[in-house]
Amino acid sequence: QVQLQESGSRLVKASQTLSLTCTVSGGSITRGGYSWSWIRQPLGKGLEWIGYIYDSGSTHFNPSLKSRVTMSVDRSKNQFSLKLTSVTAADTALYYCAAGVLGHYGDNSVYFWFDPWGPGTLVTVSS
Amino acid sequence: QSVLTQPPSASGTPGQRVTISCSGSSSNIGSHTVNWYQQVPGTAPKLLIYADNQRPSGVPDRFSGSKSGTSASLAISGLQSEDEADYYCAAWDGTLNGNVFGAGTTLTVL
Repeated sequence: QVQLQESGSRLVKASQTLSLTCTVSGGSITRGGYSWSWIRQPLGKGLEWIGYIYDSGSTHFNPSLKSRVTMSVDRSKNQFSLKLTSVTAADTALYYCAAGVLGHYGDNSVYFWFDPWGPGTLVTVSS
Repeated sequence: QSVLTQPPSASGTPGQRVTISCSGSSSNIGSHTVNWYQQVPGTAPKLLIYADNQRPSGVPDRFSGSKSGTSASLAISGLQSEDEADYYCAAWDGTLNGNVFGAGTTLTVL
């Protein structure tokens, strides 16, 4: 099974841009059927899906964050990345990357689960 | 406020069977598959149940998932101390056009 590891800036100043990278090992990021997601969790709180990217570069973001999010993929390095602009204290959280299985069935139904996840990295937004 | 509603806490004694509910609507659970994640404190979430009732390889058969209408449930039988964790349900939401998580249920083994 693939393994994922987050890396990037751990401390970001308010109004600046958060940048994180997820390195995939044990398998190619171009393997069929996988999407690559970012999910975050404020300390002591619940999970929030940020968005996903395919190795083709096709993306889909959480509408609540869409205006501030960009994602990219680097197939040569087996990595995908997240940028979140204009951060505030509310963006302080554990950020996870995860492999996703996403598909459609029936008329218009969706199956979408995350497995595996990276260990997570804490990003703190300072004023 | 999540669109998937879970009880904040649940508890049981070793050996017992506990269930955790997840209530949604026609735009999420009623139309799309449900997944469950287990998060042991200090670690990343782990997929426990996918596609309503399927267990990934390595997940004990003590864990089972079910769905009816716009609600889903996770059942844990033969409760063990290592089952103490936070449990999250999740599904696609067609109205919000994205994946949504429940707020999580903290399971305590007494």
